[in-house]
Order: sequence, then C-alpha cells, then structure tokens
Amino acid sequence: AQTVTQSQPEMSVQEAETVTLSCTYDTSESDYYLFWYKQPPSRQMILVIRQEAYKQQNATENRFSVNFQKAAKSFSLKISDSQLGDAAMYFCAYVRGGGGADGLTFGKGTHLIIQP
Amino acid sequence: NAGVTQTPKFRVLKTGQSMTLLCAQDMNHEYMYWYRQDPGMGLRLIHYSVGEGTTAKGEVPDGYNVSRLKKQNFLLGLESAAPSQTSVYFCASRITGGPLYEQYFGPGTRLTVT
Repeated sequence: AQTVTQSQPEMSVQEAETVTLSCTYDTSESDYYLFWYKQPPSRQMILVIRQEAYKQQNATENRFSVNFQKAAKSFSLKISDSQLGDAAMYFCAYVRGGGGADGLTFGKGTHLIIQP
Repeated sequence: NAGVTQTPKFRVLKTGQSMTLLCAQDMNHEYMYWYRQDPGMGLRLIHYSVGEGTTAKGEVPDGYNVSRLKKQNFLLGLESAAPSQTSVYFCASRITGGPLYEQYFGPGTRLTVT
C-alpha cells in the first residue's frame, strides 16, 4: 500500500522569507499524481499545487513551487515570499493514476507558522 | 455553483445514538468520497462511490455505512456512535477520468461523541 510521510510536524518562517516543506512517498506505481493541500483554521481543504508523475517539469503556481524527485520519491513544496495568509496546515497527498477512483492518501501534515 | 456542501457543520452525539451526514455536490461529479480527520493525522478514506447506487470501502470503514441514491448526494451514517468516531468528516468529489484527479472538498463536519 502507498504511504505518504511528512517528517516536519511544524515549521516556522519569517514573513517574506522562503520555506520548504518536505514530503516523501512510497509506491510501486509509475502512474500517479501528487498534491499539496492547504488547510487554514477555517478547516477548508484548498488545493495549492499538483504534479503529474509523468511530467519531469516541476509544477509552479505563483509563489508556490515543487521539487519533484521521482527516483527519490520526494515531493517538497517551496513557498517564496511567505505571507501571513500562508499560515496553515499543509498536507501532501498521493493518488494512483490509471483511470481509477482511488481516494487520496494523505501525510500527517505540517503546521506552518508565519512570524511577522 | 455551491460546489460541495455538507450538513450539518457541527453535531454532538451521545454514545449509541445514530445520525446521518449529508454531502451534496452540484458539479455533476461521478466520484464521491468520505474522509475523517483526527488530530495529528491526515485525512483517511472511509468509503467512496463511483456512481449512483454504488459504494465501496476505504481504509477505515468500520462503524459507518454509506448510500448514494442520487448522483449529487452521498450520505454517511453512524448507526451506533462511539467516542472513537469523534472526528472531523470531509466529503469530496471529482470528475471521472480526466488528467487532473483533483478532488473538491466540502467544508467539513465536526462530530463529537460523548
């Protein structure tokens, strides 16, 4: 079974600085998708960024980018120019591809604190 | 579009009571999911459905039942609530196939069982 590991329960960064959240996963599949979700105190799950395993190019969305290392099964999230609104829980998630209906497998999350 | 909605937002039950959580989506999505989130844990899949009239077990299905009588609705039932079912419950949906596999989440239901 696939597993997703987030080894940093909590991270703290100064406003305007850059922070990287780590995620590793274990799978025997070659077709899969990876996601970072943000969960602010409102508890709404918000998709931050996605990465298709077949794409070599790292995904970027404005201040958010990933470092996808397929061979190492690593999928880190970099947040540049951190803002107070970035403070939240961040979850890494995996889903197998191939057209199935699998649910997402989540890591335990990283609590990101932004220091003003 | 309201997206994915969940009813109720909060509920307190006594041990042994029953209740049903309702999830509704207006995006015509085929696939729907129920997850639970416990402190210090990510979301874990309870049950899911690939279409009207179909359901399947996820990672933590014990103590729950589900039904998908209409495409837009996915119900999660607790027949005899236990304190271990105290959690935040999320519903999600997504389209069939497509390249994205993105799931759209509801706002969650906080359930406390005393």
